[in-house]
Amino acid sequence: QLQLQESGPGLVKPSETLSLTCTVSSDSIRSSNYYWGWIRQPPGKGLEWIGSLYYSGSTFYNPSLKSRVTISVDTSKNQFYLNLNSVTAADTAVYYCASGRGMVPFDPWGQGILVTVSS
Amino acid sequence: QSVLTQPPSASGTPGQRVTISCSGGTSNIGSTTVNWYQQLPGTAPKLLIKLNNQRPSGVPDRFSASKSGTSASLAISGLQSEDEADYYCVAWDDRRNGWVFGGGTKLTVL
Repeated sequence: QLQLQESGPGLVKPSETLSLTCTVSSDSIRSSNYYWGWIRQPPGKGLEWIGSLYYSGSTFYNPSLKSRVTISVDTSKNQFYLNLNSVTAADTAVYYCASGRGMVPFDPWGQGILVTVSS
Repeated sequence: QSVLTQPPSASGTPGQRVTISCSGGTSNIGSTTVNWYQQLPGTAPKLLIKLNNQRPSGVPDRFSASKSGTSASLAISGLQSEDEADYYCVAWDDRRNGWVFGGGTKLTVL
């Protein structure tokens, strides 16, 4: 069973870039069986898909975040990444990484990391 | 405003059967499969139902789901206190070229 773990700073200043890492274990991130995604959840609110990266290299982003988001991968480290630039307080959320297969987009999930945007 | 519409809350007493609806459109539920996730308090979401009505290994058969047209529903029978959680539906949206979530339903076991 795949395992995913998010890491990164818990505090980011407004207008700066939020950068998170998801480390994948128990299988290769190069596997064509999976794709990789980021989801976030503001405190007390629902889940929001941020974007997904497929083994072909294709990326799909939430249209509402597309201008600020980049998802990338480092196969040598078995990690994938989230960069969200020009952050504001509205980007404060728990950020989750997850893997997907076919039409099942998020399984399993990492435990999540709280990122607060504040000066 | 979520693309998929769920009731914000639902409730039931132990042993009861409750259903949670998820309403979408022709670009999402109407043209693809629906997945359901359970989020227990303070934890990451977990896949509960995949591909409209399939239970992953380990999910009790008290949980079931169905889809008809542009709507889907999750049913929980024999309600237990540990079922108290938030439930989310998710589907691919062809028009938005991305995954869309329901707003989530908070289930309370009275």
